[in-house]
Amino acid sequence: DAKTTQPPSMDCAEGRAANLPCNHSTISGNEYVYWYRQIHSQGPQYIIHGLKNNETNEMASLIITEDRKSSTLILPHATLRDTAVYYCIVRSPGGATNKLIFGTGTLLAVQP
Amino acid sequence: GAVVSQHPSRVICKSGTSVKIECRSLDFQATTMFWYRQFPKQSLMLMATSNEGSKATYEQGVEKDKFLINHASLTLSTLTVTSAHPEDSSFYICSARLLGNTGELFFGEGSRLTVL
Repeated sequence: DAKTTQPPSMDCAEGRAANLPCNHSTISGNEYVYWYRQIHSQGPQYIIHGLKNNETNEMASLIITEDRKSSTLILPHATLRDTAVYYCIVRSPGGATNKLIFGTGTLLAVQP
Repeated sequence: GAVVSQHPSRVICKSGTSVKIECRSLDFQATTMFWYRQFPKQSLMLMATSNEGSKATYEQGVEKDKFLINHASLTLSTLTVTSAHPEDSSFYICSARLLGNTGELFFGEGSRLTVL
């Protein structure tokens, strides 16, 4: 699975949009981009995933560049409850074991 | 989303004892479950892949005799930490994948093990 690079930490003001970047320059054609988050002392929570088109759900939007070498997770109106570590992972869902390998993620701190 | 439940959420045991952690998919069937371990301020580390009806596949460096995994049904996988030592104290998390799904995994709440 391709490796990803994320900033270690980011701050965001409550009510503003949080834009979390992720670089995955070695992504291959059949690999999807997945985003998970982990609130302190809880299991990771699935947020969104995409292949090449932008995606939106009730939690967030995922913007993938045309060359697919990077993506941005957007939380449109961040709240204090969104403070968590956000993980960007690329993988092929058709892989032999479908396992997720976590990197170090981005610690998003939403400030009041 | 699908629900994965772990039990117990917290366990304290004495050094040398064995501890079993259960992972259940509550509203779906999962042929594959994954077990992770997380130390404080670190990321999740994949320990093993649990396959229903067959032996688990362990990641490099994880002792299979130390961490026994059993996936007896499509909704239950168990992790047993045998002869636990203080260095085994950690946050253990399981995840499961929906059958036929394109890939998102759902995670349990985690189980915090403290070995005295």
